[in-house]
Amino acid sequence: RKEVEQDPGPFNVPEGATVAFNCTYSNSASQSFFWYRQDCRKEPKLLMSVYSSGNEDGRFTAQLNRASQYISLLIRDSKLSDSATYLCVVPPGSNYKLTFGKGTLLTVNP
Amino acid sequence: DAGVIQSPRHEVTEMGQEVTLRCKPISGHDYLFWYRQTMMRGLELLIYFNNNVPIDDSGMPEDRFSAKMPNASFSTLKIQPSEPRDSAVYFCASSRREGVTDTQYFGPGTRLTVL
Repeated sequence: RKEVEQDPGPFNVPEGATVAFNCTYSNSASQSFFWYRQDCRKEPKLLMSVYSSGNEDGRFTAQLNRASQYISLLIRDSKLSDSATYLCVVPPGSNYKLTFGKGTLLTVNP
Repeated sequence: DAGVIQSPRHEVTEMGQEVTLRCKPISGHDYLFWYRQTMMRGLELLIYFNNNVPIDDSGMPEDRFSAKMPNASFSTLKIQPSEPRDSAVYFCASSRREGVTDTQYFGPGTRLTVL
C-alpha cells in the first residue's frame, strides 16, 4: 500500500450536493491527520485536523477509522466556492515529515 | 500578519543555469520546509529545518539541489545546474511546534520553468 492514497477523482457535483472523499494510509503509527485545500494555482491551506475519531466544522466533517486506516472528508450542501483540490496529509509518526496525497479535484457546478 | 514570503513568483531559465529560490518564514516559526509540486508526483518534501538546522534532506533529488538557512528569517533553495525536469512549483512552508505536529503555512510558491 502506498503511504497515502486518495480517490483519484475528479468529482463533478451540482451545488447543494453532498460529496465524500476517502484517503487510505499505510503507517499505523500515525496519530494525527489533516485535510488541506488547494485552489487552482495557489498554495495548500489547512482545512481540517483530525486527531481522534473525527472532527466537524460547519458543512465539513472529517472521520478517522484507525482499524481500516482510512480517513474521509464529507462536504454537505456544496458551494461553488468549494471547487478545489483536497489533499489528504499524514504525518508518519511523531515528526514533521508530512506525506501528502496527490489530491482529489472537486468541481461544484451551478 | 505577513505570511510566508517567496521570491521570485515565476522563474524561467535555460538548462544549465543556476536558480536560487528564496523564502522568508512567518516570524516566530522555528520549522521551515521546502516542497516541490508536479502533476506526476504531487507535493513532495525536499528538506526541512528546525531552528535553522537541516533535519531531513532525504527528499532532495540529487547533488544539484542545495538548501541553506543562514538565519531564522531567510532560506534559499539552489539548483545548479538546472535541468528541464526540475520544472515545477516550489513551495516554502513554516510552522511552530505545538504538540506532535502543527499547521504548516505555505507561501505562494515559485513556478520554475527550465527550458
